[in-house]
Amino acid sequence: DQQVKQNSPSLSVQEGRISILNCDYTNSMFDYFLWYKKYPAEGPTFLISISSIKDKNEDGRFTVFLNKSAKHLSLHIVPSQPGDSAVYFCAARPRTGNQFYFGTGTSLTVIP
Amino acid sequence: DAGITQSPRHKVTETGTPVTLRCHQTENHRYMYWYRQDPGHGLRLIHYSYGVKDTDKGEVSDGYSVSRSKTEDFLLTLESATSSQTSVYFCAAGGQVWDEQFFGPGTRLTVL
Repeated sequence: DQQVKQNSPSLSVQEGRISILNCDYTNSMFDYFLWYKKYPAEGPTFLISISSIKDKNEDGRFTVFLNKSAKHLSLHIVPSQPGDSAVYFCAARPRTGNQFYFGTGTSLTVIP
Repeated sequence: DAGITQSPRHKVTETGTPVTLRCHQTENHRYMYWYRQDPGHGLRLIHYSYGVKDTDKGEVSDGYSVSRSKTEDFLLTLESATSSQTSVYFCAAGGQVWDEQFFGPGTRLTVL
């Protein structure tokens, strides 16, 4: 059973606008959440993370929001650039153990 | 990429043959992981290691075994490859405490 879900397989956004990627999880024991970006034929690369004690973390154009009561996190990219076109995975790790659970990914296309 | 390499990068094999994939890291990470990526499933954990000779199963471990005799190397073995094991395999290292995982470039395996 998928414990981390990304319900939008794809998203298209105009360059300069905001991209919002969503992720839902079911396991209340998750306490660390990450976003990865993946280009074709490459391994995923880390983008940004957030621990469960925070509700927001910002790094340049990227902001991750965590809503623990809704078991929902989102990644905002502002402004979106064509180089942001990639597949984005959210991931979560429980409080105990070191396994990471990944969503199915959202393919973002930023249109110039 | 934190010095993570995978070999081979591509492999085509026949059903029933044994296959070993190698992951090598240069950053002395304690934790190493093997994932497979399939359409509609995202990244799924096969096995992971939390130290030399210390390994544990992930969510899709059936048909796979692993070994870690040195900190820098983590091997994934398919004892008797099946067509359902056709996939892209990613190795990762890191992920301890609040650290992110670093991924290798992937191995594309085709089982005919």
